[in-house]
Amino acid sequence: AQKITQTQPGMFVQEKEAVTLDCTYDTSDPSYGLFWYKQPSSGEMIFLIYQGSYDQQNATEGRYSLNFQKARKSANLVISASQLGDSAMYFCAMREVSGSARQLTFGSGTQLTVLP
Amino acid sequence: EPEVTQTPSHQVTQMGQEVILRCVPISNHLYFYWYRQILGQKVEFLVSFYNNEISEKSEIFDDQFSVERPDGSNFTLKIRSTKLEDSAMYFCASSGPGTEHSPLHFGNGTRLTVT
Repeated sequence: AQKITQTQPGMFVQEKEAVTLDCTYDTSDPSYGLFWYKQPSSGEMIFLIYQGSYDQQNATEGRYSLNFQKARKSANLVISASQLGDSAMYFCAMREVSGSARQLTFGSGTQLTVLP
Repeated sequence: EPEVTQTPSHQVTQMGQEVILRCVPISNHLYFYWYRQILGQKVEFLVSFYNNEISEKSEIFDDQFSVERPDGSNFTLKIRSTKLEDSAMYFCASSGPGTEHSPLHFGNGTRLTVT
């Protein structure tokens, strides 16, 4: 079974509008972390935002916020006031904390295009 | 801001040749990783490295692959006998001494083309 599912291969948003990128996850580990990364066309992976499974509040980082619904196992990324430079691939990722593993498991990504 | 650096940015090699991809992680980081991304596809975990040994590896990381931290700063990925399907972007990453909160910091990647 997929641990991270991103069901939107592509999304379009008008400049200055908000957009939500979906991410659902599957884990039986009670302690885990969820991460979002941005990959522009130049290829680098840029860390955006983190949410811990025990965090009571949704994470925010500038124009990025995470809509974390633990019971539904979803961690959707919300980008407010979209800019043309937000056009990129966005990946959701999870780290399961039990044991010594530190690697992240990534979803298949959502290609976001911001329209002028 | 400190960053992960990878060299070369692009490597072309013939099938069956050995390649070594090089990475310099962020200096105070303790965990090191290699990932690969076949064009347009998801980012796949290969291996993680901690305390001078492999801590986790995926099914992709078979006997053709090896990792090394030869001198306390570099972290290398070796592919012994490349195959056409090894063509991909290879990312090195590192993470700090924290716990589950520490994000992975990625290098800009090495694009490997096997002909």
